[in-house]
Amino acid sequence: AQSVTQLGSHVSVSEGALVLLRCNYSSSVPPYLFWYVQYPNQGLQLLLKYTSAATLVKGINGFEAEFKKSETSFHLTKPSAHMSDAAEYFCAVKRGSTLGRLYFGRGTQLTVWP
Amino acid sequence: EPEVTQTPSHQVTQMGQEVILRCVPISNHLYFYWYRQILGQKVEFLVSFYNNEISEKSEIFDDQFSVERPDGSNFTLKIRSTKLEDSAMYFCASKDRKNTEAFFGQGTRLTVV
Repeated sequence: AQSVTQLGSHVSVSEGALVLLRCNYSSSVPPYLFWYVQYPNQGLQLLLKYTSAATLVKGINGFEAEFKKSETSFHLTKPSAHMSDAAEYFCAVKRGSTLGRLYFGRGTQLTVWP
Repeated sequence: EPEVTQTPSHQVTQMGQEVILRCVPISNHLYFYWYRQILGQKVEFLVSFYNNEISEKSEIFDDQFSVERPDGSNFTLKIRSTKLEDSAMYFCASKDRKNTEAFFGQGTRLTVV
């Protein structure tokens, strides 16, 4: 069975500070992992994905995530937060590359203070 | 850039009424999904659809729910007799054959009163 745990429903950082959003997964098979972002009143936008190639994945807007199999983690980071990064972030896992459904975490609301 | 389009953006309906949520997936995509997010909760999978039939459905997707691709471009979710607990944001998503990721629409906020 697949599941995702996002530690921390709310994270606050100052502008320019490191952003770290945590995601741990469980999967009975090698997973495909995703981070989606949801800006206010908008849909889910893909930030980045892990598909068993490089373990360090770079996404849009300066975000990256590292797949660590030993820790079953896929934490999202950004070296320097910007005000425009304020949004809700969702980690998701799926079993296969074609039809498989996504299993989402509960989401982490990121607030960026000036 | 191609995008998934959902209409309406917000729908209010009375309990017991039927609603149809509409989605236009990205044109060359072959796999279609509905998810929902009840306020304050996880995004949950409802159903996946491929080759004109349901491929997988969750325990949420009971007999009150149905999906249809009536004309080769639209993908609809019908709730026959809405309940208060159906109030949620409903997301449509689509995926092509090659890539792993699904692309999501803006969502339809359904409020059942």
